[in-house]
Amino acid sequence: DSGVTQTPKHLITATGQRVTLRCSPRSGDLSVYWYQQSLDQGLQFLIQYYNGEERAKGNILERFSAQQFPDLHSELNLSSLELGDSALYFCASSVGASGREKNIQYFGAGTRLSVL
Amino acid sequence: LAKTTQPISMDSYEGQEVNITCSHNNIATNDYITWYQQFPSQGPRFIIQGYKTKVTNEVASLFIPADRKSSTLSLPRVSLSDTAVYYCLVGVSGGSYIPTFGRGTSLIVHP
Repeated sequence: DSGVTQTPKHLITATGQRVTLRCSPRSGDLSVYWYQQSLDQGLQFLIQYYNGEERAKGNILERFSAQQFPDLHSELNLSSLELGDSALYFCASSVGASGREKNIQYFGAGTRLSVL
Repeated sequence: LAKTTQPISMDSYEGQEVNITCSHNNIATNDYITWYQQFPSQGPRFIIQGYKTKVTNEVASLFIPADRKSSTLSLPRVSLSDTAVYYCLVGVSGGSYIPTFGRGTSLIVHP
């Protein structure tokens, strides 16, 4: 158990809908990262928050947004869903702000999103 | 963006040593190199992290040459339970740290 909690584990929805994925980081971790993993794209970094502030942004679509709350949990919002958004979404947390220091990301078990 | 390259797959047998190399030509000067293991439908699990030379822990060793443009994960005496996908993680050079995973190496360990 990594200590990172993601809910829900599975999500089935229809095209055009909006969903929210939730992540609770390990105790003491200030950074939260979101990744998308699909069969043909591998692990793609979406966005990172550090202590409530956006820290880095990767290939995140405009239809997707995230935030980190004062209690450090984070939510990833996916809207106007398309079939291609079906994937595993992982959250990771770490103590530090970046990989330019000794900083290990610990991953949750993921949320499997199926868009029908 | 930084590009990392790993072999797509490898096969080995129980008890053998396995070495998986990741090329990361554009690694930023200050970035650490991290390796993860992933089983199907699970989140990646941290294996080892290093910056230069050699790092060893209870499960693996990580070898990083002086130019840091590649790294090699070494798994001693693999077992069937080591069958998994292995990823290297580095950051893109310049600007904010953007974590970039390789496409992963699928290791199959045979009896």
